[in-house]
Amino acid sequence: EVQLVESGGGLVQPGGSLRLSCAASGFTFSSHWMSWVRQAPGKGLEWVANIQQDGSGKYYVDSVKGRFTTSRDNAKNSMYLQMNSLRAEDTALYYCAREQTGMGFDQWGQGTLVTVSS
Amino acid sequence: EIVLTQSPATLSLSPGERATLSCRASQSVSNYLAWYQQKPGQAPRLLIYDASNRATGIPARFSGSGSGTDFTLTISSLEPEDFAVYYCQQRINWPPYTFGQGTKLEIK
Repeated sequence: EVQLVESGGGLVQPGGSLRLSCAASGFTFSSHWMSWVRQAPGKGLEWVANIQQDGSGKYYVDSVKGRFTTSRDNAKNSMYLQMNSLRAEDTALYYCAREQTGMGFDQWGQGTLVTVSS
Repeated sequence: EIVLTQSPATLSLSPGERATLSCRASQSVSNYLAWYQQKPGQAPRLLIYDASNRATGIPARFSGSGSGTDFTLTISSLEPEDFAVYYCQQRINWPPYTFGQGTKLEIK
């Protein structure tokens, strides 16, 4: 069974940092692009970043460029999102999602909540 | 960036009725469009990919159509579990991948 489990969310002050993790199991993690997608409270879905199978390619939405960095460790079947200089508008539930070639986001975790507030 | 506009924002129907949800793209996405369902407190679930292909395990009452800029998700006969929020998403022109703002399908 495919599982994606996010962790690392919490309450942080504006300007602070957090590192999110996504632990994958039940599939060949190293064969897939992986993405972070967030959802602000009561709002829609926003793609944040993704990372290529070997970690060589990384892409970001403009609003997080220069502040967020995604990485992965295929030996640990894990993906990470380092979030720096956090702003109130980064408050959201952060999902990790598996990209399936030719399809879209076919597997999702349950999300981890990030709250940026003083 | 490709903008996806979904309509209506809210759709109120009764079980057994047919639901038609629309997604319009600001420029052509060919058929590289997916639909997701999200229920309260749950992660999104992939329903349809490449405009008209059902994902694994998705019931046949869900169907997708369209190409270019105009797309439709149809639920032929609503079941109680179908009341949720539905999002479209394009994957032809990224980064960024973009989603529509969602259509809430509620019980009338």
